[in-house]
Amino acid sequence: GQQLNQSPQSMFIQEGEDVSMNCTSSSIFNTWLWYKQDPGEGPVLLIALYKAGELTSNGRLTAQFGITRKDSFLNISASIPSDVGIYFCAGQYFRGGSEKLVFGKGTKLTVNP
Amino acid sequence: DTEVTQTPKHLVMGMTNKKSLKCEQHMGHRAMYWYKQKAKKPPELMFVYSYEKLSINESVPSRFSPECPNSSLLNLHLHALQPEDSALYLCASSQAGTGYTEAFFGQGTRLTVV
Repeated sequence: GQQLNQSPQSMFIQEGEDVSMNCTSSSIFNTWLWYKQDPGEGPVLLIALYKAGELTSNGRLTAQFGITRKDSFLNISASIPSDVGIYFCAGQYFRGGSEKLVFGKGTKLTVNP
Repeated sequence: DTEVTQTPKHLVMGMTNKKSLKCEQHMGHRAMYWYKQKAKKPPELMFVYSYEKLSINESVPSRFSPECPNSSLLNLHLHALQPEDSALYLCASSQAGTGYTEAFFGQGTRLTVV
């Protein structure tokens, strides 16, 4: 089945620094989604990408859908303590009459004040 | 409104109990999902309902039984679970029929099997 390789696995940064994480796959996806998850909570959607090459921003977050439809990156600028959490990429595709959404293994972000 | 509501938030059950998890959304989404998430792992897909019909079952044991009574509700019936089934159970919804859509998650049910 489809697998997503997300890196890095964890990041330790100082407040104010920029962050970059990415996901790659050998499979093509229709949609790339980026989520943030806090402990004990459900994933919260940050950015959705629908078109190859698309670059989308949401405040300090910027994400791009790779031109081959097999990769995506997420950048966070000027990090703040509340950015702490686990960030997941997810790829969505349509197969056999149904949607499927598969996740990368996550990037754990720690921000030191 | 992009809210997916799951109840209960926490559940402790014995291995002989029967319980149900509930999920509700009012975004008009016709695809609904159940995911299982163990600590420090990504969510793993269990079931997908598309237009109230079960379309994907990722080889989930029969002690987990999903149900979609209508387009807004999704249930997960639990029976004779094992301690290793303890996890965060997440419900999600999205538009159906395209694969080009956002998926929204509930806050999850933290299940502990004793």
